[in-house]
Amino acid sequence: EPEVTQTPSHQVTQMGQEVILRCVPISNHLYFYWYRQILGQKVEFLVSFYNNEISEKSEIFDDQFSVERPDGSNFTLKIRSTKLEDSAMYFCASSDEGQLSYEQYFGPGTRLTVT
Amino acid sequence: AQKVTQAQTEISVVEKEDVTLDCVYETRDTTYYLFWYKQPPSGELVFLIRRNSFDEQNEISGRYSWNFQKSTSSFNFTITASQVVDSAVYFCALKTGFQKLVFGTGTRLLVSP
Repeated sequence: EPEVTQTPSHQVTQMGQEVILRCVPISNHLYFYWYRQILGQKVEFLVSFYNNEISEKSEIFDDQFSVERPDGSNFTLKIRSTKLEDSAMYFCASSDEGQLSYEQYFGPGTRLTVT
Repeated sequence: AQKVTQAQTEISVVEKEDVTLDCVYETRDTTYYLFWYKQPPSGELVFLIRRNSFDEQNEISGRYSWNFQKSTSSFNFTITASQVVDSAVYFCALKTGFQKLVFGTGTRLLVSP
């Protein structure tokens, strides 16, 4: 069964450093999302991406964040200058909105630790 | 604006007890989708069920059942004969059209032997 994959599973970085989180969505999906979950809290939407551009973003997704689909398979989230409060689990998701199901398939997540 | 409320922060039960997790949602859209996800200690999000706003039929899948009531804007989840492996955080979520998923704050379920 097709699945969303994410790398790395765990990333440790120092405050102020840039990080890139990588995702490979399901191959025939057209919509891509990033969510984050601070430890012990709810899952929060960051950004959605369709047709090579951002379709929606949350207040969390400020100028420090960017997303890119550099090729036909990867979908990346870049944090330019990490802060302590960026420590969280980051989930990538994809969906094929052409189907009535509207279901988003989640990757296993990348745990980002900023020290 | 969309909102999902899971008032139960944590529930503790003993194995074989039935347990119901509550979910109340708010939306002005007439077409929407409701979801339940399970997050075990390993951290991944496991899809459990999706329900469309125009389908109020309750659903049963093994020990799991869902009660969708538009009149009270609720989409409750019941686990029958709970097992230790059911211990996890359960999230209810709402989606309208091509939009983002809006999650509730989650309910932590602890099932003890």
